[in-house]
Parts: sequence; C-alpha cells; structure tokens
Amino acid sequence: GAVVSQHPSWVICKSGTSVKIECRSLDFQATTMFWYRQFPKQSLMLMATSNEGSKATYEQGVEKDKFLINHASLTLSTLTVTSAHPEDSSFYICSALWTGPEKLFFGSGTQLSVL
Amino acid sequence: AQTVTQSQPEMSVQEAETVTLSCTYDTSESDYYLFWYKQPPSRQMILVIRQEAYKQQNATENRFSVNFQKAAKSFSLKISDSQLGDAAMYFCAYRGYTGANSKLTFGKGITLSVRP
Repeated sequence: GAVVSQHPSWVICKSGTSVKIECRSLDFQATTMFWYRQFPKQSLMLMATSNEGSKATYEQGVEKDKFLINHASLTLSTLTVTSAHPEDSSFYICSALWTGPEKLFFGSGTQLSVL
Repeated sequence: AQTVTQSQPEMSVQEAETVTLSCTYDTSESDYYLFWYKQPPSRQMILVIRQEAYKQQNATENRFSVNFQKAAKSFSLKISDSQLGDAAMYFCAYRGYTGANSKLTFGKGITLSVRP
C-alpha cells in the first residue's frame, strides 16, 4: 500500500519555541493532505486541509497563525506549531489523499510535548 | 454537516468469536464513502475496509465485512474469528465526494478488547 512518512515521531520543546512537523507521501503525489489532532483515547479532530500550491483551509476554532501549514510540493506538507505552549501538547497526525482509487493514508503521528 | 455516531465506547470479544461494531451517520448527500479505521496501541491509523455508497454490495476484506444499510444510514463492521491482534480502537468515518464535504469525519471510536 501507499506510504506516508511523518517526522518526527516525537518532540519535546520548551514553551515559546516553534516546532515543525513534516508529512511526506513517499510513493504517490498528494494534492490534498489533512492535519489532525488527537487527545488520549479520543477521536481525531481535523485541524486543516492542505492543498498543494494554495492556502490551507482551517477548521473553525483552529488558529491559523499558531498552526502554520505549508504544502509546497505534491509530496510534502508541513505543520509548524508557533510559540508552542503546554496546551498544544498533543498527538498530531497527517494524512494524504490518494486518488486512484480514492483512499486516505495516514502518517504514523507526532507526539508533541511542550514543557 | 455530516455526523458519525459510534454509541458504544467499549466492547469485548472472546478470541475466535465474532463481534459487530456499530456505526450510524447522518448526511444529505447521496454519494459518499464510508470507512472503518483501526488504531492499535502504536497509534498508526490503518484502513480496515472501505465502502462506496453507490455500491449495494457490502465490502469484505478477509475476516472483516460490513453491513451497509444506506436507507437506515447504518454501517456496522463485523470481525470474524477475532484474533488478539484485533485489539485496538476502531473508528468509523465518512467522506463526501467534493468540496467541503470531502474531508473525513470520524466517530468517537470504540475500544475493542480481545480475551484469550
């Protein structure tokens, strides 16, 4: 099956610093990628839809200036958590849409811990 | 807006037995996709099975099958011959065809445990 690589798997940072998370589709081109946030034992909450070459579409309540998304190529989307605070600590998951036939493949996730 | 409901937070099944996980959804669209995803303790999301709404035939993938009732907006997952490795959180998900409806909407999930 198709592979989506997400890096890093986990990151610990100090409050006030920024963290970048990468999501790559390794064997297919993905014009659309999605970013999710997941708290322990809860469902995935969609944060934003990332489209190659255009601005991301953020879900209601998600701060676009805090969670910067860039989808500069057909195989790479990045999520930057700016000025991270402890409440940003969470598990972040990306997914990439494969259109032939249409399926969504997920990265392995990034556990962010902000001290 | 589309909603996906998984009303059972937890279920347990004996190894080698069969278990059915329930899911209902609400939508005004006629064409869409439905999915079941598995999330084991590693937290990697794994696609279990996929159903296109225009297909009347229920999808099957080895020990996994669905009972898709379009009129009732019901999409249950049956796991046959349950194995210890099936223990995980399972999410039902809906995805529309186009535009704002093309994002994946998840249910709250159900934690499945398998008793040896």
